[in-house]
Amino acid sequence: GQNIDQPTEMTATEGAIVQINCTYQTSGFNGLFWYQQHAGEAPTFLSYNVLDGLEEKGRFSSFLSRSKGYSYLLLKELQMKDSASYLCAVKSDYKLSFGAGTTVTVRA
Amino acid sequence: GAGVSQTPSNKVTEKGKYVELRCDPISGHTALYWYRQSLGQGPEFLIYFQGTGAADDSGLPNDRFFAVRPEGSVSTLKIQRTERGDSAVYLCASSSEGNYGYTFGSGTRLTVV
Repeated sequence: GQNIDQPTEMTATEGAIVQINCTYQTSGFNGLFWYQQHAGEAPTFLSYNVLDGLEEKGRFSSFLSRSKGYSYLLLKELQMKDSASYLCAVKSDYKLSFGAGTTVTVRA
Repeated sequence: GAGVSQTPSNKVTEKGKYVELRCDPISGHTALYWYRQSLGQGPEFLIYFQGTGAADDSGLPNDRFFAVRPEGSVSTLKIQRTERGDSAVYLCASSSEGNYGYTFGSGTRLTVV
């Protein structure tokens, strides 16, 4: 089975940094994804890690440790528009399994 | 098309009725997925198509749910004898062979009253 855990909610101030952790136990691993989902909208792709280490893409970075079953998404220089749900997802073969999502609220 | 298109965007139906949800994937994408997302939860896998065939339907909750993709492009998710517990957002996604990412549609919000 698949077990993917991430915090339910996080709050941060505009301009600050927030780190969203994700731990997983899955049968099979072909990569870990982070998606952003605004209320009422489709999930949109943020990042993909298949090897250990840090991937940086602008204000967003994602880290993976396969031996620890652990990833984090780092959001820097937070903006109000970053208020959304962030979904951690693990790919096994062709299938993505998602965590429940972390709702990030950015306050002025 | 440029993105994954799902219709209708909203559907309200009475308990016991039959509904069809449509997904038009990105042109050329061979893989198509249906997911279901309840409030406050992540998307849950329902079914995966590679071309015209359902390669994995292990996520369909029961035999009231069925999906087809007759020409390897548009897919229809069919739900018979709807129940209030079927209320959720039904998401469709597609990807091309060898592409590691999915592109999601905006979903169909199904409400069974």
